[in-house]
Amino acid sequence: QKEVEQNSGPLSVPEGAIASLNCTYSDRGSQSFFWYRQYSGKSPELIMSIYSNGDKEDGRFTAQLNKASQYVSLLIRDSQPSDSATYLCAVMGTGRRALTFGSGTRLQVQP
Amino acid sequence: DTAVSQTPKYLVTQMGNDKSIKCEQNLGHDTMYWYKQDSKKFLKIMFSYNNKELIINETVPNRFSPKSPDKAHLNLHINSLELGDSAVYFCASSLNPTDTQYFGPGTRLTVL
Repeated sequence: QKEVEQNSGPLSVPEGAIASLNCTYSDRGSQSFFWYRQYSGKSPELIMSIYSNGDKEDGRFTAQLNKASQYVSLLIRDSQPSDSATYLCAVMGTGRRALTFGSGTRLQVQP
Repeated sequence: DTAVSQTPKYLVTQMGNDKSIKCEQNLGHDTMYWYKQDSKKFLKIMFSYNNKELIINETVPNRFSPKSPDKAHLNLHINSLELGDSAVYFCASSLNPTDTQYFGPGTRLTVL
């Protein structure tokens, strides 16, 4: 079992719709969770971090964490073509001092 | 102002050569990292330094040797390059080992 799993996609949504990206992780003791966005040929850039169960909102982005079910999700409201990118879920595992990344979900927002 | 910078951006070299990639951050962070992103876009930690001390050394061939001359710099030297070393190498930094990481622009290494 991979430590951090994501559906590779592509996830295709129409412009203006809500895009929902999901991530599951295997280390039950993980405490820190991050979503990064990576455009083709570019470096990962941080979108959201979340540490507690529940929702965290920042503009059009909402991160959701459920530690009991070991999943973290990212919702993008009013999706724009500029949101088309690969979204990487990253988890800081128990006692670890480095992030474990999922393989990423490619999002395509159709104009 | 560039927060995390890497040089060179592109590196094309022959098998068997030795090469170095340099990384600098001006964020005042204590922790720096090297990641490798392969052709399938999977991003994997290689090394991490905190206050110039090596704290993470994943299963990486010993042809790869990181060096941190000070907290703001982390270099990666690779000996006897192999075809499988072709990838994008990202440097990152964070305030401390558990804090948010910020990535450099990456170095695309191609070994011929």
